[in-house]
Amino acid sequence: GESVGLHLPTLSVQEGDNSIINCAYSNSASDYFIWYKQESGKGPQFIIDIRSNMDKRQGQRVTVLLNKTVKHLSLQIAATQPGDSAVYFCAEIGNNAGNMLTFGGGTRLMVKP
Amino acid sequence: ETGVTQTPRHLVMGMTNKKSLKCEQHLGHNAMYWYKQSAKKPLELMFVYNFKEQTENNSVPSRFSPECPNSSHLFLHLHTLQPEDSALYLCASSQDPGALRPQHFGDGTRLSIL
Repeated sequence: GESVGLHLPTLSVQEGDNSIINCAYSNSASDYFIWYKQESGKGPQFIIDIRSNMDKRQGQRVTVLLNKTVKHLSLQIAATQPGDSAVYFCAEIGNNAGNMLTFGGGTRLMVKP
Repeated sequence: ETGVTQTPRHLVMGMTNKKSLKCEQHLGHNAMYWYKQSAKKPLELMFVYNFKEQTENNSVPSRFSPECPNSSHLFLHLHTLQPEDSALYLCASSQDPGALRPQHFGDGTRLSIL
C-alpha cells in the first residue's frame, strides 16, 4: 500500500458497535447521493443511494441520512463487522453540466475485533 | 463480481512503452467512464463515453487516449507516460450519464511507471 498519500479521516470502532460515517457536500442543487465502499485492492462498491426528495433510506444493516438544510450526508452501519473495514466514499450528482458524479475524499473505517 | 471487468490488474511499464488497459461491462449499460485514483488525490474523472461517443474529457493529457468500440468495451491507450501517472485506473459503467443511478466500478488496473 501507499506510505505517503491523501490523509483520510479514520474511524475506529469495536466489532458489534454501530458506525456513523459523515460527509459534507457543497452543491445545494445536488439531486442524488451514493455511498461506496472500497476495500484494499478492489474498486469502489455501491452500498446505498438516496435521492434529494428523501431524508432517510435503509438497506441491510445500513442507513443513509440526508440533511439538505446543512448539506450533510451520513452512513450508519449497524453491528459493525470486521468485513466492514474499508474506505467509504460519498458521491453526489448535482445539477451541473453532464450530471457527473463528484466524489468526496473518503473515510477509513477500522473495525477492532 | 461487479459486472465490470478490467485487465490487466497490474501493469509495470517504462516511460517509452505503449500499453493498453481494457474494460468490459456485462450490465447492459450505455455509459462508461475512466477514473484515476492516486494516493495523493480523491477519485478523478478522466473520460466519459455515452453510447460509444465521448462526452467528457476532463483536461486529460494526450498521452492517455481512450477508445470505445461499443457500449460494452472501453480501452485506455497509454504512451510516453510520466512517473506521476502511476495510480489505480478505474473503469465504471452506468445506465447513462444523466440518470440518477449509481456507477458500477471494476477493480482497477494498478499502473506503475518506471
